[in-house]
Amino acid sequence: KQEVTQIPAALSVPEGENLVLNCSFTDSAIYNLQWFRQDPGKGLTSLLLIQSSQREQTSGRLNASLDKSSGRSTLYIAASQPGDSATYLCAVPSYNNNDMRFGAGTRLTVKP
Amino acid sequence: NAGVMQNPRHLVRRRGQEARLRCSPMKGHSHVYWYRQLPEEGLKFMVYLQKENIIDESGMPKERFSAEFPKEGPSILRIQQVVRGDSAAYFCASSHSWADGHNEQFFGPGTRLTVL
Repeated sequence: KQEVTQIPAALSVPEGENLVLNCSFTDSAIYNLQWFRQDPGKGLTSLLLIQSSQREQTSGRLNASLDKSSGRSTLYIAASQPGDSATYLCAVPSYNNNDMRFGAGTRLTVKP
Repeated sequence: NAGVMQNPRHLVRRRGQEARLRCSPMKGHSHVYWYRQLPEEGLKFMVYLQKENIIDESGMPKERFSAEFPKEGPSILRIQQVVRGDSAAYFCASSHSWADGHNEQFFGPGTRLTVL
């Protein structure tokens, strides 16, 4: 059974810092991994999708890496801004690919 | 190309009433997924449907919950005789056919159900 863990559960940093969010998964046989952003009381916004054949994806100040063999992914946020404050979720397909398995998320606060 | 649409965005029900949540997938998507997010928790899978078929309902509670995705119209998640523990955000996602090898799921804004 695929299980996804995110560390840390919460993170507070001053504006301008570079930061890393961690995601680990138990079953390395995945098709892809997605990182999402969720603002309080809102839906999910897809940030990055990494296919299993890829090692990383970049979008603006965001960079996500994937190491299938070790069951890990990291989301790197450069030069953080208060607008980056949100909960960041990672998700991988379940073993039968019928659904996505989500981590509990990392709640990020970037202080001005 | 409109994204995944869900309505209503907010729904308030009293205990014992029925809740009906609707989801219209993205244009061209034939797969629909429902997830539930309890307060301060991650999203949990409930059910996966294709047109007129339930493919996987392993995450659905055995009683009071049902889902459908008719040939015409939106997918419906129905909760009968709601209880306070049903209060949560319910998210719908859609994706292309698996045959494309492209299984990225796109999420709707969610319906927030409050049971009084």
